[in-house]
Amino acid sequence: DAGVIQSPRHEVTEMGQEVTLRCKPISGHDYLFWYRQTMMRGLELLIYFNNNVPIDDSGMPEDRFSAKMPNASFSTLKIQPSEPRDSAVYFCASSSTGGNSPLHFGNGTRLTVT
Amino acid sequence: SQQGEEDPQALSIQEGENATMNCSYKTSINNLQWYRQNSGRGLVHLILIRSNEREKHSGRLRVTLDTSKKSSSLLITASRAADTASYFCATDSYGNNRLAFGKGNQVVVIP
Repeated sequence: DAGVIQSPRHEVTEMGQEVTLRCKPISGHDYLFWYRQTMMRGLELLIYFNNNVPIDDSGMPEDRFSAKMPNASFSTLKIQPSEPRDSAVYFCASSSTGGNSPLHFGNGTRLTVT
Repeated sequence: SQQGEEDPQALSIQEGENATMNCSYKTSINNLQWYRQNSGRGLVHLILIRSNEREKHSGRLRVTLDTSKKSSSLLITASRAADTASYFCATDSYGNNRLAFGKGNQVVVIP
């Protein structure tokens, strides 16, 4: 199994631009999570999906953030417009039974907004 | 709010020594998990211990859970240079899939 695949690995953009992060979960996993990691705040859960349906988006910081999962093998996290404070590493993770089972993380997307 | 909270101390140890990290949490949990993160990489799951378990082993890893004190510990025995990483605990609450991670504990193993 190839594991969770995220793209791009690095993204540098200017303030105000739209940013789209992509994730392919492990096949057969019903849960998909988006986390953000910063030195100051650690790992924060942004949103999670179960069977492609968003279940809890209470961690999404603002309306500038949106996430979709059009099918079981693909999810996107979009930031529009981006701001410097959005700079962080964004991780996608998948699991078979949610919080009761291990999460499998991708290698993340390092986003820098200048 | 995040539940898992590791002791904030960074550890620097010699290869072959044991490394112990602690984690405390605030509310009732269904399970507690430990993860490792190498620099520039995603988190890797190490071990999951359920609320009705007190101790679990996996290779050189030993995890304990004390639900009365709301705390857990991770012991790495006979450490190796490859164990150099950050270690995170994560907790979920009953009926809640929001796995909350602590801030991490950096371990450096000196060859």
